[in-house]
Amino acid sequence: DAGVTQSPTHLIKTRGQQVTLRCSPKSGHDTVSWYQQALGQGPQFIFQYYEEEERQRGNFPDRFSGHQFPNYSSELNVNALLLGDSALYLCASSFQSQETQYFGPGTRLLVL
Amino acid sequence: AQSVTQPDIHITVSEGASLELRCNYSYGATPYLFWYVQSPGQGLQLLLKYFSGDTLVQGIKGFEAEFKRSQSSFNLRKPSVHWSDAAEYFCAVVSSGGYQKVTFGTGTKLQVIP
Repeated sequence: DAGVTQSPTHLIKTRGQQVTLRCSPKSGHDTVSWYQQALGQGPQFIFQYYEEEERQRGNFPDRFSGHQFPNYSSELNVNALLLGDSALYLCASSFQSQETQYFGPGTRLLVL
Repeated sequence: AQSVTQPDIHITVSEGASLELRCNYSYGATPYLFWYVQSPGQGLQLLLKYFSGDTLVQGIKGFEAEFKRSQSSFNLRKPSVHWSDAAEYFCAVVSSGGYQKVTFGTGTKLQVIP
């Protein structure tokens, strides 16, 4: 039973560029949440997707957008990258209203 | 708004010693509480969770946590620490009902010395 997978594992971009991160949820899960974890900090909630709709959003600007596909996989897009966007981006999956989320290994993004 | 406080940024214990990591939460109703562990460069692994019922919950790797409503705390404990427990530990709260936005604490980094 595959857990949550994310790609790529590492990414280097320059300021102003755009990036797309990908996540496949754990088998049987239909809800995907994204988190940003800056160095030395706890993860911060970006948004959550369910039934291909953004269901809830944290305090992140519109430069952060996402998408969920019919197979429940998800993408996180960040436009106009800033140095401060450098972080570990974590994807978590869960089943409908169940509160337990399972996390992937993350994508480490470095913005130069 | 819900919040989580982990007052200890860094803790050092000797291998074989007992461990307690502190977590205090702020939430209006009964929260759902979690402890996650993160090894360097890795994602988060769920150690244990509390939803309701018995206030002492058992988790993986020999960890346990106790929910104390009167103190708004959910401290993590382990009777005997192993060198492999060195990692960062995050306490988290989820609102009961509604959507599952998880709020994390800032984490406690555990160092284990031989």
